[in-house]
Amino acid sequence: KNEVEQSPQNLTAQEGEFITINCSYSVGISALHWLQQHPGGGIVSLFMLSSGKKKHGRLIATINIQEKHSSLHITASHPRDSAVYICAVDGNTDKLIFGTGTRLQVFP
Amino acid sequence: EPEVTQTPSHQVTQMGQEVILRCVPISNHLYFYWYRQILGQKVEFLVSFYNNEISEKSEIFDDQFSVERPDGSNFTLKIRSTKLEDSAMYFCASSGQGENTEAFFGQGTRLTVV
Repeated sequence: KNEVEQSPQNLTAQEGEFITINCSYSVGISALHWLQQHPGGGIVSLFMLSSGKKKHGRLIATINIQEKHSSLHITASHPRDSAVYICAVDGNTDKLIFGTGTRLQVFP
Repeated sequence: EPEVTQTPSHQVTQMGQEVILRCVPISNHLYFYWYRQILGQKVEFLVSFYNNEISEKSEIFDDQFSVERPDGSNFTLKIRSTKLEDSAMYFCASSGQGENTEAFFGQGTRLTVV
C-alpha cells in the first residue's frame, strides 16, 4: 500500500468550477507539501503546511493531522490551472514521500 | 526570485556510459536532494545531502550513483555506468536553514539511456 494516496487520479473540469483534490497518508509527518507539475515536467511548490489552512490566491490547502488527510482546493478554475498536482509528505526523515499525483484538465 | 537551476535539460547517453547531472541550489540553502521520476510514475527519493555528506539515501541509490558538492555552489549526481532503466526525469531540490522547510525544485534533467 502506498504511504501517500491521492484522489482522484484524473479530474476534468469546466472553467470556473470549484475543484478539490484529496490526499491521505499513513505515516507520521512533520509537514505536507502540495506541488504542481506542468507538462514540461518542472515541479513548483504551492504549499507547505503542518496544521490548519493556507490560502494563496485561488488556491486553498487544508490539513487534518488527526485524520491524516489534506485537501487542495482551486476556486474559479482556469485552463492555466491544468497540471498534475502532487501531494508529498515529510515523514520526519530527510526526504519527501510523494503521491502519484492528480492530473487536472480545465476546459474553457 | 531565487531558483534552483539544473543542467542539462535533456541528456541522451549510451548504456554503460557515465553521466553527470548538475544542479545549482539556492545560495543560502543547506539541504540538497535528488529525486527521479520514471515516465508515468511518481517521483521517488534518491538521496539527501547536508553538511557535505549524505544524510539519507534510498535503495535505488546503489553503488553506481554518487553525489558531490565540489565547489560550494554546484551539487552533482553522477551515474557511473548507465542502464536503460535509469532513463527518467531527475530533479534536484534544496531547502533552507532547518529541516522541514519548504523545498524548491529545479526544472529537471530528462535522461534517456539508449
